[in-house]
Amino acid sequence: QKEVEQNSGPLSVPEGAIASLNCTYSDRGSQSFFWYRQYSGKSPELIMSIYSNGDKEDGRFTAQLNKASQYVSLLIRDSQPSDSATYLCAVSGRGNNRLAFGKGNQVVVIP
Amino acid sequence: KAGVTQTPRYLIKTRGQQVTLSCSPISGHRSVSWYQQTPGQGLQFLFEYFSETQRNKGNFPGRFSGRQFSNSRSEMNVSTLELGDSALYLCASRFDRGQSPLHFGNGTRLTVT
Repeated sequence: QKEVEQNSGPLSVPEGAIASLNCTYSDRGSQSFFWYRQYSGKSPELIMSIYSNGDKEDGRFTAQLNKASQYVSLLIRDSQPSDSATYLCAVSGRGNNRLAFGKGNQVVVIP
Repeated sequence: KAGVTQTPRYLIKTRGQQVTLSCSPISGHRSVSWYQQTPGQGLQFLFEYFSETQRNKGNFPGRFSGRQFSNSRSEMNVSTLELGDSALYLCASRFDRGQSPLHFGNGTRLTVT
């Protein structure tokens, strides 16, 4: 079982719609969860961090964490063409503190 | 505050050669991590340094090594390059080894021919 899994294929959403991304992780003791955005040819950029169960909102982004079910999700409201990128889920494992990344989900916002 | 700086941005090397990549973390950050990113494997953890000590290591062969200096700057070295080492190498720093997020540099694009 992979440490962090993002199974959805490329996601195409019309401009103004909600994009929903999901991520599951294997280490039940994980404590820190992050979403990064990576534009083509660029490095990952932190957009959200979440540490406790529930929702965390930051502008048009909402991260949701459910430790019992071991998943974390990201909602992008009012999607804009500038949101077109690959979104990486990252989880900090228990004990060693290193960040493990999922392979990412590509989001394409269609004007 | 300046971000994470990686040099060089691009490198072309031949199989069998070695390469050294450099990373300067954000001022005040003592933890530096290195990742390899390829289209097929995504972001793969190489190692993490904190206060000049390697604290975590990923599943890469011994050809991949690194070090951290007293000013928190870090270098990674790849010896006996193979075609499969062609990748984007990303350095990231964070304030401590705890639960703070990583901040990435722009990366070094290595091409091995």
